[in-house]
Amino acid sequence: RKEVEQDPGPFNVPEGATVAFNCTYSNSASQSFFWYRQDCRKEPKLLMSVYSSGNEDGRFTAQLNRASQYISLLIRDSKLSDSATYLCVVNLNQAGTALIFGKGTTLSVSS
Amino acid sequence: NAGVTQTPKFQVLKTGQSMTLQCAQDMNHEYMSWYRQDPGMGLRLIHYSVGAGITDQGEVPNGYNVSRSTTEDFPLRLLSAAPSQTSVYFCASRQGPGELFFGEGSRLTVL
Repeated sequence: RKEVEQDPGPFNVPEGATVAFNCTYSNSASQSFFWYRQDCRKEPKLLMSVYSSGNEDGRFTAQLNRASQYISLLIRDSKLSDSATYLCVVNLNQAGTALIFGKGTTLSVSS
Repeated sequence: NAGVTQTPKFQVLKTGQSMTLQCAQDMNHEYMSWYRQDPGMGLRLIHYSVGAGITDQGEVPNGYNVSRSTTEDFPLRLLSAAPSQTSVYFCASRQGPGELFFGEGSRLTVL
């Protein structure tokens, strides 16, 4: 089983739609979790960290389920500008020297 | 604030040539790393450093060397380029367990 798995998509949704991405991880000792966003031919940038209690940042909600070893990202009221690849990232150790990136889920929002 | 700066942005090499990808950060981050990103493979860690004079191997270190003589700079050397090293290379830095900041990437083609 791969360490971090994501559905590659693409997810094609209309503006205003709600879309959810899931990510599963194999190492139960994983320490921390993140979602990064990567625009086409650009560098990844942090979208949000994922906390055990779940967290929200505007239209974005991230959740963590340690028992089932998955992370989710919910995007409400999708905008054209949300079109990007979303990378699930798992940190395996306290020092943060073992970040594992998923291959990414591609979202395309159309008008 | 420049953040993480990578040079060159594009490079074409012939098999067997050597070159150095430069990476500099102006945020006084202790942690620096190099990733490569290939289609369908996601980001994979090549080498990382937790401070000046300290480097360690990541997931795919073969064919690459690094050094960290200063906090600011973390060059990646390709000793004898191979077509399998055709990729997009990202340098990234971080302070503690926080956000990973990426450079804009270096696109390398090995013929």
